[in-house]
Amino acid sequence: EAQVTQNPRYLITVTGKKLTVTCSQNMNHEYMSWYRQDPGLGLRQIYYSMNVEVTDKGDVPEGYKVSRKEKRNFPLILESPSPNQTSLYFCASSRRPRDVPGEQFFGPGTRLTVL
Amino acid sequence: GESVGLHLPTLSVQEGDNSIINCAYSNSASDYFIWYKQESGKGPQFIIDIRSNMDKRQGQRVTVLLNKTVKHLSLQIAATQPGDSAVYFCAEKVAGGGNKLTFGTGTQLKVEL
Repeated sequence: EAQVTQNPRYLITVTGKKLTVTCSQNMNHEYMSWYRQDPGLGLRQIYYSMNVEVTDKGDVPEGYKVSRKEKRNFPLILESPSPNQTSLYFCASSRRPRDVPGEQFFGPGTRLTVL
Repeated sequence: GESVGLHLPTLSVQEGDNSIINCAYSNSASDYFIWYKQESGKGPQFIIDIRSNMDKRQGQRVTVLLNKTVKHLSLQIAATQPGDSAVYFCAEKVAGGGNKLTFGTGTQLKVEL
């Protein structure tokens, strides 16, 4: 089954404790992206990657890091989480955004709470 | 500035009726629009898209209409079913803005039996 998977689905942590949210897709997609979703706000892009070893900042990259060492994986790293990073996070992938920019496949989401 | 918003936060319709969800945008340079559906506890799901050189595009039970004159986008769902209950939101891409999408906040569609 074609899908985007994220782990963990739920995480409660404390301020300053480094964490990684994994994202993996099995569709051989070149483009991957991370978003956060907060009440009253639309999805906001954190980082994106056009291909292996190519990453770039989105709208709200502060406090986050990413890497793209393999085509299928795009982990999101919070080196020192803070309470304002409490949010619902989505990973997404698509073939090549130039073709159909909007047809992104989203993962199920990771709900992160930073105390 | 750019903005993508929705006229109504919640829309309730009877099963079998048609639903119309609206979206306004302010950037006349936007050249591509998308509608997503997000069910409770799930990630967004692509429904349909439309480029700015089109006024209308139809999918399976869904139609997207684009009115560039008033910068308005709508999603019509025919014969709404209980499984259509979800949050629907639009997104736009600005020409020359790379692949960045700006997302709206969403409308909750509730289907009443």
